Amino acid sequence: GQQLNQSPQSMFIQEGEDVSMNCTSSSIFNTWLWYKQDPGEGPVLLIALYKAGELTSNGRLTAQFGITRKDSFLNISASIPSDVGIYFCAGQSLNAGNNRKLIWGLGTSLAVNP
Amino acid sequence: DAGVTQSPTHLIKTRGQHVTLRCSPISGHKSVSWYQQVLGQGPQFIFQYYEKEERGRGNFPDRFSARQFPNYSSELNVNALLLGDSALYLCASSTLQGSEQYFGPGTRLTVT
Repeated sequence: GQQLNQSPQSMFIQEGEDVSMNCTSSSIFNTWLWYKQDPGEGPVLLIALYKAGELTSNGRLTAQFGITRKDSFLNISASIPSDVGIYFCAGQSLNAGNNRKLIWGLGTSLAVNP
Repeated sequence: DAGVTQSPTHLIKTRGQHVTLRCSPISGHKSVSWYQQVLGQGPQFIFQYYEKEERGRGNFPDRFSARQFPNYSSELNVNALLLGDSALYLCASSTLQGSEQYFGPGTRLTVT
């Protein structure tokens, strides 16, 4: 199935470091969403972006909707052990019939060393 | 407020059997989407339903079907199970106009 290019694939960092990950697509999206998924659980929505150029923060998380509408990035500042997990980007475009399916990246696996 | 709920949590089936997975959306949400997530990959879109009508379908065979009930809950049915159907099946709810989809904990299906 269709998937987005998400990088890096994995990261291993020290507690307190900042983290940056990004997602690119060959298609234009109307919405970019960032999720975090813990093992065996469903993804949890972190940040939603609706407008090209938009920069949105949620606590230590900041995400931006790329100007071209084909990319987005997520930054995590001052990482802590509970940030461990897999982070997914997802793009959404409004198709005919109001189909709002999400196209997902392959995920960035984050490990934090206390 | 209750989030999206899914049942069962885990399921083990043998090849050729069929399975029914259930989902209850967040109160007030009228749209339900189903995704399949294979280990190590992102979720793949299967279906979206709104007001009991199918609004979108992913690239899955006809063995996969779904329906939505008047109370907006939904069922995903998979017939003639294959080993490759083993995955985490996720349900997400949203308002039709809202772009944000909220996920349940998933049903882990193992086909042996």
